[in-house]
Amino acid sequence: RKEVEQDPGPFNVPEGATVAFNCTYSNSASQSFFWYRQDCRKEPKLLMSVYSSGNEDGRFTAQLNRASQYISLLIRDSKLSDSATYLCVVNPGKLIFGTGTRLQVFP
Amino acid sequence: EADIYQTPRYLVIGTGKKITLECSQTMGHDKMYWYQQDPGMELHLIHYSYGVNSTEKGDLSSESTVSRIRTEHFPLTLESARPSHTSQYLCASSEVPGQGLEKLFFGSGTQLSVL
Repeated sequence: RKEVEQDPGPFNVPEGATVAFNCTYSNSASQSFFWYRQDCRKEPKLLMSVYSSGNEDGRFTAQLNRASQYISLLIRDSKLSDSATYLCVVNPGKLIFGTGTRLQVFP
Repeated sequence: EADIYQTPRYLVIGTGKKITLECSQTMGHDKMYWYQQDPGMELHLIHYSYGVNSTEKGDLSSESTVSRIRTEHFPLTLESARPSHTSQYLCASSEVPGQGLEKLFFGSGTQLSVL
């Protein structure tokens, strides 16, 4: 079993839709969590950290569920420019990347 | 924007050649990393460094080597390139503000093709 698991997708959604991704992790000692965004053939860039109480940044909301060992990312009012792969990153002492979930927003 | 640079952006080279992928950052970060990523696949950590004269192998076995003589510079070398080395190589550095909130900044990557 992988330490960090994500649904690879792709998630094909129309503009304006709300889409949610989940990511599960196996190491209960994990202390910090992040979502990164990676455009095709580009480097990953930090999208947002995930805090225990949940946090929001504009149209993006991240949640952490320690009991079930998953984190989520919710994107509201999807834009064409949101099309990318979203990487879940978990830190149980070292950074571990998921394989990513691909999002394709269509007009 | 992060100040971390990789050169070259693309490299096409023949089998058996020695190559060095350059990575530099101007943020004064102590931690630096090299990842390997194939299209549509996850990142694999191949080397990391926690500071000058510190280098460690990552989770994925690699025939490459690294050095860290200066804080800002973390080059990766392949003594004899092979087609199996064809991949994207991503360099990253991190700031560690505390309590495990390590955040990575990536360079633009080097796409290596070995013929």
